[in-house]
Amino acid sequence: GAGVSQSPRYKVAKRGQDVALRCDPISGHVSLFWYQQALGQGPEFLTYFQNEAQLDKSGLPSDRFFAERPEGSVSTLKIQRTQQEDSAVYLCASSLLGGHGWFFGPGTRLTVL
Amino acid sequence: LAKTTQPISMDSYEGQEVNITCSHNNIATNDYITWYQQFPSQGPRFIIQGYKTKVTNEVASLFIPADRKSSTLSLPRVSLSDTAVYYCLVGDISVGSARQLTFGSGTQLTVLP
Repeated sequence: GAGVSQSPRYKVAKRGQDVALRCDPISGHVSLFWYQQALGQGPEFLTYFQNEAQLDKSGLPSDRFFAERPEGSVSTLKIQRTQQEDSAVYLCASSLLGGHGWFFGPGTRLTVL
Repeated sequence: LAKTTQPISMDSYEGQEVNITCSHNNIATNDYITWYQQFPSQGPRFIIQGYKTKVTNEVASLFIPADRKSSTLSLPRVSLSDTAVYYCLVGDISVGSARQLTFGSGTQLTVLP
């Protein structure tokens, strides 16, 4: 595709449910980032992949959050036992290398009831 | 990590030039300055990136003084469609360090007719 795509665009979950959010980066992009954006705030870093290696997961807020990129392309962010405070937009970004211009996807808006 | 300070909001009129200044007093030698634009319900979009002096592309210019402690994003002849949040990011964009780039709260630019 021409850009970064994310699915689903919207997700409503009941508290305690597990969710999986998918990111399809631009083909050939080495770096992949996940961000969380609360309403009215700037995006906050969650985790970073270089190819299939998760080099930094320091931003993941709890051990309920897990991300993977097994083949170095598509990535999945999984949230277990969702809580209301997990409600946010989850953004994925990819870049050819490092920070030389990230391309962001449209995000997945997660609402936990 | 270099902390950035931007105005929370700015108003302008169609056709005017808009300058948004970002302060980053403790910028490091390897740090680049990057600006992103974000519309509601969309992911941030890369605008421009620079290291020193002046960078210009088809949508904006970035002015960086010699001491690099601030930078100014210049949008020529804004239109209503430029209404968005603008983020200034400062950091090392190399592959190993790009994950440390952080978003602040951004500047909400409102263009009035």
